[in-house]
Amino acid sequence: QAQLQESGPGLVKPSQTLSLTCTVSGGSISSGGYYWSWIRQHPGKGLEWIGYMYYSGSSHYNPSLKSRVTISVDTSKNQFSLKLSSVTAADTAVYYCAHSSPDAFDIWGQGTVVTVSS
Amino acid sequence: EIVLTQSPGTLSLSPGERATLSCRASQSVINSYLAWYQQKPGQAPRLLIYGASSRATGIPDRFSGSGSGTDFTLTISRLEPEDSAVYYCQQYGSSPLFTFGPGTKVDIK
Repeated sequence: QAQLQESGPGLVKPSQTLSLTCTVSGGSISSGGYYWSWIRQHPGKGLEWIGYMYYSGSSHYNPSLKSRVTISVDTSKNQFSLKLSSVTAADTAVYYCAHSSPDAFDIWGQGTVVTVSS
Repeated sequence: EIVLTQSPGTLSLSPGERATLSCRASQSVINSYLAWYQQKPGQAPRLLIYGASSRATGIPDRFSGSGSGTDFTLTISRLEPEDSAVYYCQQYGSSPLFTFGPGTKVDIK
């Protein structure tokens, strides 16, 4: 079974762009039928889906974040990435990458804490 | 936009008891694409149930899901101490494409 691992800065300044990468091991990101998502969890709160990327390059974002989000895939590195622009303190959260096929998330990364602060 | 409501907010039960968790959707969930997750402190969520009633790989058979349309239930037939966690339901298909409920916390006395 594939494993996912998030990486990226733990601290981002307000108005800057948050950038995270998810590395997939034990499986190919190019496998058809699988979707690669980013999900976040605000401190002490529930889960919010940010968006997904299909290996072919097609993507789908949460309308509430769509104007600020870009998810991309690098099949040569077996990675997919999240960029969230113009961040504020409200973007402070644990960010997870996850795999679905397509309706439920069966594989999750361990999560990475991102704090937005000057 | 579809909204998921979970009840109760907190459930406090003893080992061996039966837990019944509810998830209600503001509109019908497409194709019963309703999943349940368990999350323990400091951990990522773990998929328990997908398609409303199918157990994910490795999930004990004391966890079962049921329901259709707008009303879904997760049942834990015989609670074990390690079942103490927050349980989330999640739908797929309506906008936004994936939506999670606010969670039910299960405390084992």
